[in-house]
Amino acid sequence: EPEVTQTPSHQVTQMGQEVILRCVPISNHLYFYWYRQILGQKVEFLVSFYNNEISEKSEIFDDQFSVERPDGSNFTLKIRSTKLEDSAMYFCASNPLGGGNQPQHFGDGTRLSIL
Amino acid sequence: KNQVEQSPQSLIILEGKNCTLQCNYTVSPFSNLRWYKQDTGRGPVSLTIMTFSENTKSNGRYTATLDADTKQSSLHITASQLSDSASYICVVSAYFNKFYFGSGTKLNVKP
Repeated sequence: EPEVTQTPSHQVTQMGQEVILRCVPISNHLYFYWYRQILGQKVEFLVSFYNNEISEKSEIFDDQFSVERPDGSNFTLKIRSTKLEDSAMYFCASNPLGGGNQPQHFGDGTRLSIL
Repeated sequence: KNQVEQSPQSLIILEGKNCTLQCNYTVSPFSNLRWYKQDTGRGPVSLTIMTFSENTKSNGRYTATLDADTKQSSLHITASQLSDSASYICVVSAYFNKFYFGSGTKLNVKP
């Protein structure tokens, strides 16, 4: 069964540095999402992406964050000037045409540790 | 404020028993309500999705209900198995493609 894959599984970065988290959604999917889960807390929606543009974003997704689909297969989340509080598990998800009422398929996440 | 509240926080049951997890929400405008299962260290896996007009939906031993008037949902697990041990997360979607997660119920099924 096709899967959403995320790389790396664990990323360690110095505070203030930029980090790019990578995701390969399922190939025929058209809607893409990023979520984060701080240790011990609930999953939080960051952003949804369709047709090469952001369709929705949360209050968390400020100018520090950006998303891109650079080559038709990868979907990336860039975090600039990382802070200690950016340490979290970041999940990518995708779903096919039909958007909001389709089940999302999640990757297993990238654990981001900011030192 | 858009919120999703789940209860109980954690639950221990014996293998073979049934259980029911609760979800209350205040998300508006409502699009759909989802239940996910999340194993430790893994991404969430979709169990059910219900829109405003759906009262109940089943997926194997999982049955979800939705009361859109009272903004409540439940997830009933029948004949629990050890592999059901996981966190169960209620997620409510607001138009369009914006999602609010509950904190989850951590279920532990013991032999």
